[in-house]
Amino acid sequence: KAGVTQTPRYLIKTRGQQVTLSCSPISGHRSVSWYQQTPGQGLQFLFEYFSETQRNKGNFPGRFSGRQFSNSRSEMNVSTLELGDSALYLCASKQRERNTGELFFGEGSRLTVL
Amino acid sequence: QQPVQSPQAVILREGEDAVINCSSSKALYSVHWYRQKHGEAPVFLMILLKGGEQKGHDKISASFNEKKQQSSLYLTASQLSYSGTYFCGTPNNNAGNMLTFGGGTRLMVKP
Repeated sequence: KAGVTQTPRYLIKTRGQQVTLSCSPISGHRSVSWYQQTPGQGLQFLFEYFSETQRNKGNFPGRFSGRQFSNSRSEMNVSTLELGDSALYLCASKQRERNTGELFFGEGSRLTVL
Repeated sequence: QQPVQSPQAVILREGEDAVINCSSSKALYSVHWYRQKHGEAPVFLMILLKGGEQKGHDKISASFNEKKQQSSLYLTASQLSYSGTYFCGTPNNNAGNMLTFGGGTRLMVKP
């Protein structure tokens, strides 16, 4: 069974640009969550989607957005990039909606903003 | 509110034991433990649900004291493969998959 796939793995952008990251969950998983990981702030929840609906949203500005498609694949977008957006963005998938059982994380997309 | 983990870092020799603590200022529905090795994705270890049940995973076990809003992860007879950063995560409610993670405990096991 293939794991969670995130693309691109590495990318470099400049301030003011926008970026779109993609996540393909494990087949059959309908819940996709996004986390931002930085050395200073650790792992922080961005948002969660289940069956194309946003279920939860973390404390991030409106520049951060996401969506989920009917095949459960998800994308997140960051507009007007700032230096502080440099981070590892992790996607995690899960079969069900309820908060039991494990999250399966992808290896992440490492974003560097110059 | 982010759960607080202690210690922030620990260095062990192979075969030694360690305890990692996770405490929260709010009531907990459950506590989730993950390990992340350098350059890799976090990997699930276990979930502790209400009831103080102790779970195990190889020589790694954990307890959950919902009254004290605390969980502890016990690593027994540590192996080199245990090295990594350990995170505890707590849900904001009993629905959805949103977890608030602690700051992490960096564990290094030396031969």
